[in-house]
Amino acid sequence: RKEVEQDPGPFNVPEGATVAFNCTYSNSASQSFFWYRQDCRKEPKLLMSVYSSGNEDGRFTAQLNRASQYISLLIRDSKLSDSATYLCVVNRPQGSGTYKYIFGTGTRLKVLA
Amino acid sequence: GAGVSQSPSNKVTEKGKDVELRCDPISGHTALYWYRQSLGQGLEFLIYFQGNSAPDKSGLPSDRFSAERTGGSVSTLTIQRTQQEDSAVYLCASSRIQGTLENGYTFGSGTRLTVV
Repeated sequence: RKEVEQDPGPFNVPEGATVAFNCTYSNSASQSFFWYRQDCRKEPKLLMSVYSSGNEDGRFTAQLNRASQYISLLIRDSKLSDSATYLCVVNRPQGSGTYKYIFGTGTRLKVLA
Repeated sequence: GAGVSQSPSNKVTEKGKDVELRCDPISGHTALYWYRQSLGQGLEFLIYFQGNSAPDKSGLPSDRFSAERTGGSVSTLTIQRTQQEDSAVYLCASSRIQGTLENGYTFGSGTRLTVV
């Protein structure tokens, strides 16, 4: 089992739709969680951090479920420009106060006109 | 610098040749990471630097791969005797002190390596 797992998609949704992605992680000691966005042939860019209480940034909402060890990303009112691959990132403690970021392989979203 | 800078942006090399990829992290970022991303694949961790030391080299695929970092800043990833399977985008990222919740990584735009 991979340490961070995502449905690769693609998720094809019409403009204006609401879409949600989940990401599961296996290390219960993980403490930090992020969603990154990667456009085709570009570098990944931080979309948002995921906090225990859940957080919202405009049309994007991220949530963390520690008991079930998954994080989610909800996109409301999808825009064509939201088409990208969304990477789930989990921070794995390695001892001595050091950490390592583990990336999922990403979920591809296509928003259709 | 303002962002993470990688050079060259593209590199085409003949099988068997050595290549050097450079990463200049954001000023003040003590942590530096190298990843590899093959076409249509996820990010594959290669090596991590904290300052000039590399506490985690576990992702380097073979002894043909090596990396160093000097002055706590610029890092160089060297691939010796390149093979076609080394073709990928090599991404460098940096971050401030590890473990800060509000910081993820900042990535450079990558070096696209093609071995022919």
